[in-house]
Amino acid sequence: LAKTTQPISMDSYEGQEVNITCSHNNIATNDYITWYQQFPSQGPRFIIQGYKTKVTNEVASLFIPADRKSSTLSLPRVSLSDTAVYYCLVGYTGGFKTIFGAGTRLFVKA
Amino acid sequence: EAGVTQFPSHSVIEKGQTVTLRCDPISGHDNLYWYRRVMGKEIKFLLHFVKESKQDESGMPNNRFLAERTGGTYSTLKVQPAELEDSGVYFCASSLENVNYGYTFGSGTRLTVV
Repeated sequence: LAKTTQPISMDSYEGQEVNITCSHNNIATNDYITWYQQFPSQGPRFIIQGYKTKVTNEVASLFIPADRKSSTLSLPRVSLSDTAVYYCLVGYTGGFKTIFGAGTRLFVKA
Repeated sequence: EAGVTQFPSHSVIEKGQTVTLRCDPISGHDNLYWYRRVMGKEIKFLLHFVKESKQDESGMPNNRFLAERTGGTYSTLKVQPAELEDSGVYFCASSLENVNYGYTFGSGTRLTVV
């Protein structure tokens, strides 16, 4: 099972763009890369998912290089409410077994 | 549509007692997953149901944990007897298909064993 490595924490200011990079060196051919956001006392919330190149939705962008050994979640113009833990997950089926990781704690300051 | 609902949101029980956690997935979601975060550690997979069948229960820690999903709708996770190390937050998630994207998680049940 592919494991992921992310920074433990990051600080930013309101209005800045935040990029969180995740390493997943042994990602399998069928694996997708998915990012979740979690606020205190809530369950993780799906943000974005991709397989290769770039994916963008109304919340974030996901950049995946050709070798797929890493990915970068980009949050444009963060606000205080974006303070949360962000998880990078890889897998295809069966429920992200044992690979949730510690996540990246993003703290957005005014 | 209603999200994934977990009940109770909090539970405090004494060591040796029994606790049953419940998860109501999104209607029509055949796939249901249980996870837990113990004592501030990483979120870990417990098991996966497809309808009423256990697809994968490789993450269940021991035989004190019993998960059921009768009729393929809601699921229960029973801990009997509870131990101190079972304290943590138990999350449930559901999805329409068995692919790892777009899971909807519940808010979790915080279990404290004293």
